[in-house]
Amino acid sequence: DSGVTQTPKHLITATGQRVTLRCSPRSGDLSVYWYQQSLDQGLQFLIQYYNGEERAKGNILERFSAQQFPDLHSELNLSSLELGDSALYFCASNRGGPYNEQFFGPGTRLTVL
Amino acid sequence: QKEVEQDPGPLSVPEGAIVSLNCTYSNSAFQYFMWYRQYSRKGPELLMYTYSSGNKEDGRFTAQVDKSSKYISLFIRDSQPSDSATYLCAMSTTDGKLTFGQGTILTVHP
Repeated sequence: DSGVTQTPKHLITATGQRVTLRCSPRSGDLSVYWYQQSLDQGLQFLIQYYNGEERAKGNILERFSAQQFPDLHSELNLSSLELGDSALYFCASNRGGPYNEQFFGPGTRLTVL
Repeated sequence: QKEVEQDPGPLSVPEGAIVSLNCTYSNSAFQYFMWYRQYSRKGPELLMYTYSSGNKEDGRFTAQVDKSSKYISLFIRDSQPSDSATYLCAMSTTDGKLTFGQGTILTVHP
């Protein structure tokens, strides 16, 4: 158990809908990273937050957004969902800084029908 | 061309074998190198982390980094059936964003 929690474990929804994925980092970690894992693209970095502020962005679609709250939990919002958004979504956390290992949560499996 | 290339395998070995997993990369700005293990439908689990060229050993696992050749390896000694998983190499620059290889599927059969 990495100490990172994610909810829900599974999410099934329809195209055009909006969903919110939640992540709680390890105790003491200030930084949260979101990744998407699909069969064709592998694991890809989406976005990073550090202590409530956006720190870095990857290939995140404009339909996707995230935020980190004062208690350091983070939410990833996915809107206008398409079939291709079906994937595993992971969050990871660390103390902050590239020299600190990232620890991954169990993931949320999103299925868009 | 992808920044990180990893042979997807699959790789099948008998129990007790030495396993060698490899990744090459093109971005010379990568400074931090990691190996993760991922069991089916689970989150990646950090196995090894290094930021310098050379070898780092932890139990049955040895991570090797050759920055001059842009090549990293993970060796697993005395492989066990419980090592059967997907192994992902990952690396980052100073920005902390991880770039992953495609993953190698390993099966260790008794």
